[in-house]
Amino acid sequence: SQQGEEDPQALSIQEGENATMNCSYKTSINNLQWYRQNSGRGLVHLILIRSNEREKHSGRLRVTLDTSKKSSSLLITASRAADTASYFCATDSGDSSYKLIFGSGTRLLVRP
Amino acid sequence: DTEVTQTPKHLVMGMTNKKSLKCEQHMGHRAMYWYKQKAKKPPELMFVYSYEKLSINESVPSRFSPECPNSSLLNLHLHALQPEDSALYLCASSQDKGQGPANYGYTFGSGTRLTVV
Repeated sequence: SQQGEEDPQALSIQEGENATMNCSYKTSINNLQWYRQNSGRGLVHLILIRSNEREKHSGRLRVTLDTSKKSSSLLITASRAADTASYFCATDSGDSSYKLIFGSGTRLLVRP
Repeated sequence: DTEVTQTPKHLVMGMTNKKSLKCEQHMGHRAMYWYKQKAKKPPELMFVYSYEKLSINESVPSRFSPECPNSSLLNLHLHALQPEDSALYLCASSQDKGQGPANYGYTFGSGTRLTVV
Protein backbone atom coordinates (compact mmCIF):
# COMPACT_ATOMS: atom_id res chain seq x y z
CA SER A 1 0.00 0.00 0.00
CA GLN A 2 1.16 3.53 -0.70
CA GLN A 3 0.90 6.18 1.97
CA GLY A 4 2.27 9.23 0.24
CA GLU A 5 1.81 10.96 -3.07
CA GLU A 6 4.48 13.27 -4.35
CA ASP A 7 4.42 16.05 -6.84
CA PRO A 8 5.70 16.84 -9.23
CA GLN A 9 6.41 13.37 -10.59
CA ALA A 10 9.35 14.83 -12.48
CA LEU A 11 11.26 18.10 -12.20
CA SER A 12 13.97 19.51 -14.45
CA ILE A 13 15.97 22.55 -13.32
CA GLN A 14 19.23 24.33 -14.09
CA GLU A 15 22.21 23.93 -11.83
CA GLY A 16 22.16 26.60 -9.12
CA GLU A 17 18.37 26.82 -8.98
CA ASN A 18 16.30 25.62 -6.06
CA ALA A 19 14.18 22.46 -6.27
CA THR A 20 10.99 21.97 -4.30
CA MET A 21 9.18 18.64 -3.97
CA ASN A 22 5.93 18.05 -2.16
CA CYS A 23 4.53 15.02 -0.38
CA SER A 24 1.00 14.41 0.83
CA TYR A 25 -0.01 11.51 3.03
CA LYS A 26 -3.25 10.00 4.23
CA THR A 27 -3.10 8.92 7.87
CA SER A 28 -1.73 10.38 11.09
CA ILE A 29 1.99 9.89 11.43
CA ASN A 30 4.74 9.95 14.03
CA ASN A 31 7.40 11.07 11.61
CA LEU A 32 8.13 11.71 7.97
CA GLN A 33 11.40 10.91 6.27
CA TRP A 34 12.99 11.84 2.94
CA TYR A 35 15.26 9.55 0.94
CA ARG A 36 17.29 9.95 -2.25
CA GLN A 37 17.86 7.18 -4.78
CA ASN A 38 20.38 7.43 -7.56
CA SER A 39 19.47 5.50 -10.66
CA GLY A 40 18.63 1.90 -9.74
CA ARG A 41 20.65 1.88 -6.54
CA GLY A 42 19.95 1.84 -2.81
CA LEU A 43 18.17 4.63 -1.00
CA VAL A 44 20.01 7.15 1.14
CA HIS A 45 18.34 8.63 4.20
CA LEU A 46 18.35 12.43 4.02
CA ILE A 47 16.32 13.76 6.93
CA LEU A 48 13.65 12.77 9.46
CA ILE A 49 11.10 15.24 10.81
CA ARG A 50 8.87 14.31 13.73
CA SER A 51 5.18 15.13 13.88
CA ASN A 52 5.74 17.82 16.52
CA GLU A 53 8.31 19.63 14.36
CA ARG A 54 7.44 22.13 11.64
CA GLU A 55 10.77 22.68 9.92
CA LYS A 56 14.16 21.05 9.81
CA HIS A 57 17.42 21.88 8.02
CA SER A 58 20.37 19.78 6.97
CA GLY A 59 23.00 21.45 4.81
CA ARG A 60 21.27 22.56 1.59
CA LEU A 61 18.08 20.68 2.53
CA ARG A 62 15.07 22.24 4.18
CA VAL A 63 12.04 20.15 5.11
CA THR A 64 8.71 21.43 6.31
CA LEU A 65 5.83 19.47 7.78
CA ASP A 66 2.20 20.57 8.07
CA THR A 67 0.29 17.87 9.93
CA SER A 68 -3.01 19.75 9.59
CA LYS A 69 -2.72 19.50 5.80
CA LYS A 70 -0.97 16.12 5.92
CA SER A 71 1.80 17.43 3.71
CA SER A 72 5.53 17.98 3.64
CA SER A 73 7.96 19.69 1.31
CA LEU A 74 11.63 19.18 0.57
CA LEU A 75 13.63 22.16 -0.67
CA ILE A 76 17.08 21.68 -2.14
CA THR A 77 18.87 25.00 -2.47
CA ALA A 78 21.61 25.84 -4.97
CA SER A 79 21.18 22.51 -6.76
CA ARG A 80 24.08 20.64 -8.33
CA ALA A 81 24.21 18.09 -11.13
CA ALA A 82 25.02 15.49 -8.47
CA ASP A 83 21.57 16.08 -6.92
CA THR A 84 20.03 14.35 -9.95
CA ALA A 85 18.13 11.43 -8.43
CA SER A 86 14.70 10.25 -7.35
CA TYR A 87 13.44 11.60 -4.05
CA PHE A 88 10.94 9.73 -1.90
CA CYS A 89 9.05 10.71 1.20
CA ALA A 90 8.25 7.92 3.65
CA THR A 91 6.08 7.69 6.73
CA ASP A 92 5.21 5.19 9.36
CA SER A 93 1.85 3.75 8.49
CA GLY A 94 -0.07 5.28 11.38
CA ASP A 95 -1.26 1.96 12.75
CA SER A 96 2.15 0.32 12.95
CA SER A 97 5.51 1.57 14.07
CA TYR A 98 7.07 -1.30 12.13
CA LYS A 99 6.12 -0.19 8.64
CA LEU A 100 7.85 2.56 6.69
CA ILE A 101 5.80 3.22 3.60
CA PHE A 102 7.19 5.17 0.65
CA GLY A 103 5.49 7.77 -1.50
CA SER A 104 5.44 7.70 -5.27
CA GLY A 105 8.62 9.75 -5.67
CA THR A 106 9.86 12.77 -7.63
CA ARG A 107 12.49 12.34 -10.34
CA LEU A 108 14.79 15.36 -10.26
CA LEU A 109 17.08 16.26 -13.15
CA VAL A 110 19.60 19.04 -12.57
CA ARG A 111 21.04 20.26 -15.87
CA PRO A 112 24.67 21.46 -15.81
CA ASP B 1 30.89 0.19 9.75
CA THR B 2 27.83 2.13 8.54
CA GLU B 3 26.84 -0.01 5.59
CA VAL B 4 24.36 -2.64 4.62
CA THR B 5 25.96 -5.14 2.24
CA GLN B 6 23.85 -7.11 -0.20
CA THR B 7 24.98 -10.02 -2.33
CA PRO B 8 24.82 -10.78 -5.15
CA LYS B 9 24.44 -7.46 -6.97
CA HIS B 10 22.87 -9.14 -9.98
CA LEU B 11 21.10 -12.48 -10.27
CA VAL B 12 19.50 -14.24 -13.22
CA MET B 13 17.51 -17.34 -12.37
CA GLY B 14 15.15 -19.71 -14.09
CA MET B 15 11.66 -20.35 -12.83
CA THR B 16 12.63 -23.75 -11.43
CA ASN B 17 15.77 -22.55 -9.63
CA LYS B 18 16.33 -22.02 -5.92
CA LYS B 19 18.54 -19.11 -4.97
CA SER B 20 19.15 -16.88 -1.95
CA LEU B 21 19.78 -13.20 -1.48
CA LYS B 22 21.99 -12.18 1.41
CA CYS B 23 22.13 -9.03 3.51
CA GLU B 24 24.58 -8.13 6.27
CA GLN B 25 25.02 -5.17 8.63
CA HIS B 26 27.28 -4.54 11.60
CA MET B 27 25.73 -1.36 12.98
CA GLY B 28 23.99 -3.13 15.84
CA HIS B 29 20.59 -2.48 14.26
CA ARG B 30 17.93 -4.87 15.55
CA ALA B 31 15.35 -4.28 12.80
CA MET B 32 15.91 -5.49 9.26
CA TYR B 33 13.72 -5.28 6.19
CA TRP B 34 13.21 -6.58 2.68
CA TYR B 35 11.71 -4.25 0.08
CA LYS B 36 10.90 -4.94 -3.57
CA GLN B 37 11.15 -2.17 -6.15
CA LYS B 38 9.95 -2.22 -9.74
CA ALA B 39 11.26 0.28 -12.28
CA LYS B 40 10.08 3.86 -11.67
CA LYS B 41 8.04 2.78 -8.64
CA PRO B 42 8.61 3.28 -4.91
CA PRO B 43 9.99 0.46 -2.77
CA GLU B 44 7.28 -1.87 -1.45
CA LEU B 45 7.67 -3.43 1.96
CA MET B 46 7.85 -7.24 1.99
CA PHE B 47 9.10 -8.34 5.43
CA VAL B 48 10.14 -6.81 8.73
CA TYR B 49 12.32 -8.56 11.29
CA SER B 50 12.64 -7.21 14.80
CA TYR B 51 15.17 -8.81 17.15
CA GLU B 52 15.50 -11.72 14.75
CA LYS B 53 11.76 -12.44 14.80
CA LEU B 54 9.46 -11.94 11.84
CA SER B 55 7.18 -9.02 12.73
CA ILE B 56 5.51 -8.25 9.44
CA ASN B 57 4.84 -10.24 6.29
CA GLU B 58 3.03 -8.04 3.79
CA SER B 59 1.11 -10.96 2.27
CA VAL B 60 4.13 -11.98 0.25
CA PRO B 61 3.77 -15.21 -1.79
CA SER B 62 5.38 -18.27 -0.20
CA ARG B 63 7.87 -18.55 -3.03
CA PHE B 64 9.72 -15.84 -1.08
CA SER B 65 11.00 -17.14 2.26
CA PRO B 66 12.87 -14.83 4.63
CA GLU B 67 15.31 -15.95 7.28
CA CYS B 68 17.19 -14.06 9.99
CA PRO B 69 19.91 -16.37 11.34
CA ASN B 70 21.33 -13.72 13.70
CA SER B 71 21.19 -10.02 14.41
CA SER B 72 23.60 -9.18 11.56
CA LEU B 73 22.28 -11.35 8.75
CA LEU B 74 19.11 -11.45 6.71
CA ASN B 75 18.44 -13.86 3.88
CA LEU B 76 15.70 -14.09 1.30
CA HIS B 77 15.25 -17.56 -0.18
CA LEU B 78 13.73 -17.72 -3.63
CA HIS B 79 12.01 -20.71 -5.18
CA ALA B 80 9.82 -21.18 -8.25
CA LEU B 81 9.71 -17.47 -9.05
CA GLN B 82 7.76 -15.95 -11.90
CA PRO B 83 9.02 -13.46 -14.50
CA GLU B 84 6.93 -10.74 -12.83
CA ASP B 85 9.08 -11.16 -9.72
CA SER B 86 11.95 -9.55 -11.61
CA ALA B 87 12.82 -6.39 -9.66
CA LEU B 88 15.39 -4.68 -7.46
CA TYR B 89 15.36 -6.26 -3.99
CA LEU B 90 16.50 -3.93 -1.27
CA CYS B 91 17.56 -4.80 2.24
CA ALA B 92 17.55 -2.18 4.98
CA SER B 93 18.20 -1.95 8.69
CA SER B 94 17.40 0.46 11.49
CA GLN B 95 17.42 0.85 15.20
CA ASP B 96 14.49 -0.68 17.03
CA LYS B 97 13.94 1.02 20.35
CA GLY B 98 10.96 2.23 22.35
CA GLN B 99 9.18 4.15 19.59
CA GLY B 100 9.39 1.38 17.02
CA PRO B 101 11.77 1.02 14.09
CA ALA B 102 9.79 3.16 11.63
CA ASN B 103 10.71 6.15 13.79
CA TYR B 104 14.38 5.91 12.87
CA GLY B 105 16.21 6.47 9.60
CA TYR B 106 16.82 3.34 7.59
CA THR B 107 20.15 2.35 6.08
CA PHE B 108 19.69 0.63 2.74
CA GLY B 109 21.93 -1.71 0.83
CA SER B 110 22.56 -1.14 -2.86
CA GLY B 111 20.19 -3.94 -3.79
CA THR B 112 20.13 -7.12 -5.82
CA ARG B 113 18.86 -6.77 -9.38
CA LEU B 114 16.91 -9.99 -9.97
CA THR B 115 15.86 -11.22 -13.38
CA VAL B 116 13.64 -14.31 -13.64
CA VAL B 117 13.71 -16.00 -17.03
